[in-house]
Amino acid sequence: DGGITQSPKYLFRKEGQNVTLSCEQNLNHDAMYWYRQDPGQGLRLIYYSQIVNDFQKGDIAEGYSVSREKKESFPLTVTSAQKNPTAFYLCASSTTGTGGRGYTFGSGTRLTVV
Amino acid sequence: AQTVTQSQPEMSVQEAETVTLSCTYDTSENNYYLFWYKQPPSRQMILVIRQEAYKQQNATENRFSVNFQKAAKSFSLKISDSQLGDTAMYFCAFMGDDKIIFGKGTRLHILP
Repeated sequence: DGGITQSPKYLFRKEGQNVTLSCEQNLNHDAMYWYRQDPGQGLRLIYYSQIVNDFQKGDIAEGYSVSREKKESFPLTVTSAQKNPTAFYLCASSTTGTGGRGYTFGSGTRLTVV
Repeated sequence: AQTVTQSQPEMSVQEAETVTLSCTYDTSENNYYLFWYKQPPSRQMILVIRQEAYKQQNATENRFSVNFQKAAKSFSLKISDSQLGDTAMYFCAFMGDDKIIFGKGTRLHILP
């Protein structure tokens, strides 16, 4: 079955460490997205990519980095510059140019700073 | 910039009742898409219903329907015959060109 897979489900980071969250899709979707979810804040866009080797900053990109070397993969690195990284992170994908069918979401990664 | 506002942070209704969740948005675009997503306690995001702005007819999916008022920039979700499994966080969302903007959500509790 086609879908989008995020790993790990839970991740613990020590202060000062970089960590990478994985997002893989086999839906042949062109576009991929990373959102951060905090209580009472909804989903806020971190980065998105509509094509391989290209990506754009979202509303809260500071302290994060991404790469898009393959169509299927869009990993997110939370760097030590992100001062408050504890949150729930959601990856999503979609087709482009097909009239707003919405996203397919992964099941999320819960990141906790210890 | 587009914004999405959900004015009800939390709601509770009895099972089998009808409930309406409110959403307003702001945009200068004429062609766009609106969505309602459901996030149950599992935290998996599920698309509930989708509306294309150029269609006047309100979208319906089984017990879920919307009231889309383009001039007022309003997009409310009605859940009929509510069930315990409808308990979740509901997000209203707007898509213009290339990305979706989400509201802050309404936490809905269906009471037995």
